[in-house]
Formats: sequence, C-alpha cells, structure tokens
Amino acid sequence: GDSVTQMEGPVTLSEEAFLTINCTYTATGYPSLFWYVQYPGEGLQLLLKATKADDKGSNKGFEATYRKETTSFHLEKGSVQVSDSAVYFCALTRLRTGNQFYFGTGTSLTVIP
Amino acid sequence: DSGVTQTPKHLITATGQRVTLRCSPRSGDLSVYWYQQSLDQGLQFLIQYYNGEERAKGNILERFSAQQFPDLHSELNLSSLELGDSALYFCASSVENTGELFFGEGSRLTVL
Repeated sequence: GDSVTQMEGPVTLSEEAFLTINCTYTATGYPSLFWYVQYPGEGLQLLLKATKADDKGSNKGFEATYRKETTSFHLEKGSVQVSDSAVYFCALTRLRTGNQFYFGTGTSLTVIP
Repeated sequence: DSGVTQTPKHLITATGQRVTLRCSPRSGDLSVYWYQQSLDQGLQFLIQYYNGEERAKGNILERFSAQQFPDLHSELNLSSLELGDSALYFCASSVENTGELFFGEGSRLTVL
C-alpha cells in the first residue's frame, strides 16, 4: 500500500542555515505529494504540493521537487528563520473522490537565533 | 482560519467516561477525516467519511466510533476512556480532487 517515510527529528538549526528534511514514498503510479506544517498550538496547514513527476512545489521560501526516479520529495529552504520553527509533515494522496491521505511521522524543526 | 470548526477545544475527563468531539467542515467539503496526535505516536489516521458514508478506517479503536450527519458535520465518540487516550484530536475536510486538507485547531483531550 501507499506510505510515506520522513526523516526523524528533532532538527535544530541556527538562523539563516540551510534546511533539508528528507521524505520518500512508496506507491504505485503517480500519487500527489504534499508538505504540511504545524506551528505550535495550531492545526496542520498546507505548505506546498506537487501533483506530477518533476513538479516543484514552493511557498514561503520552501521548495520540494517530485522525483519519481528516487521516489522522493525532500523539503528545502536556503535560509531558515526563527518563525520557521514548527513540525513538518510529508504526505501523499491520490486525486480522486474520497481520497485517503498518508502522512509521515513529522519532523520537528527548531531554529535558534 | 481554515474554516473547519472543532469543539470543544479542551476537555478534561476521568477514566471510564465517554466524550463526544464535534467537527464542522468547510462549506462545500464532503469529506471529513479524523486524526489523533499524541507525543509518542505522531499523527494517526482514525477514520474518513465522505458525504455521510464511512470511506476508510485507520487505527481506530473499537471503543471509538464516528459518524457524519446529513448536514455534513461529524462527531467522534470516545468511550471507556483510558489514560492513553489523552491526545489532540484533529478533524480535517478536503476539497474534492485537489488533495488539500484543511485542519481544524483540534480538541485536546486529557484523561485523568
């Protein structure tokens, strides 16, 4: 079945450091891939998405590229800020009616000034 | 504001009790999902409803049940509560065929 595996945390970085959070998936065909972010005390919200191979999703300085050949969707940001401290979830779904979502375990990021 | 409303925000109860969590999805969204988030288990999928019908089940205990009503709001019933049921329970709704989930702010359940 479909599944997502993401990098274990927690991750602690200094402000302006480069961020990579790894995510790989197991699925047949071409699922859609997502990164969700959960800020402290809030629900998850969509950060970015990619719906087909080689697509690059981007938002708020974050980027992730859908790599079919390596079944990966790694999250990157060139220069993190304290306000990026949150838990990041990789997710997979199929774009069809009543679709199910498969989430990774989440990676906690703390950015220190 | 995601447009998904969950009540109550906080709930403290005792072991053995029963509680009901309520979720109102975004207007027009037919799918409702329930998730449990605890410190040691991460985000666990419980159950999904689509337009009143159960669509998928995840790691939902037999002591838990849910339903989606004709007006599309959903309720998650948790009974015979145990200490380990203490967690944040999220509801989410989705826009059809876009893959985007909108999460509520969650209901924090504490079982003492």
